[in-house]
Amino acid sequence: SQTIHQWPATLVQPVGSPLSLECTVEGTSNPNLYWYRQAAGRGLQLLFYSVGIGQISSEVPQNLSASRPQDRQFILSSKKLLLSDSGFYLCAVRSANEKLFFGSGTQLSVL
Amino acid sequence: AQKITQTQPGMFVQEKEAVTLDCTYDTSDQSYGLFWYKQPSSGEMIFLIYQGSYDEQNATEGRYSLNFQKARKSANLVISASQLGDSAMYFCAMREIAKGNTPLVFGKGTRLSVIA
Repeated sequence: SQTIHQWPATLVQPVGSPLSLECTVEGTSNPNLYWYRQAAGRGLQLLFYSVGIGQISSEVPQNLSASRPQDRQFILSSKKLLLSDSGFYLCAVRSANEKLFFGSGTQLSVL
Repeated sequence: AQKITQTQPGMFVQEKEAVTLDCTYDTSDQSYGLFWYKQPSSGEMIFLIYQGSYDEQNATEGRYSLNFQKARKSANLVISASQLGDSAMYFCAMREIAKGNTPLVFGKGTRLSVIA
């Protein structure tokens, strides 16, 4: 079965600072990977998804970018964080039987 | 247009009673999947149940069942014999399978509170 590693669990960053959140997956190859964001008390907003190395689809134009340098690595980045980037970030992988499995999430607070 | 609609921002249920969480969806595809996830206060997203559009029987997983009404485009989650640990946010989601590697789209969620 697949395992998703996502870190850090919590992060406090000042406005204007850079961001790098990493997600790695074990137990599967060529996975479909996703980054979602959840604002406090809200639903999940899809940010990016990737079907392979170097292939990134962006769902929402914004201050963030994503990269997939390796098959099982998905990175979420920003050059300069905004207050509105605060939220709970979740990495996910889609299994062969359609189920989406999530990492434990990163709570990002931009101050 | 919103693809997944959850009209109940919050629900209360007495312990040991059954509760239904509503979900309607919008798609013109014939092949799609419907999902329910639970998010407790810890933040983790827990997969509960899956229903494929071509599945003739309603999906069931333990105390969870999905009331799938294709013509009405509804996929309500039924939780039987509620427990205090069922208190959480519940999200309905859909993936349009025929379009290839499309992502899951989530509703805004329903917060369920189980009362002792």
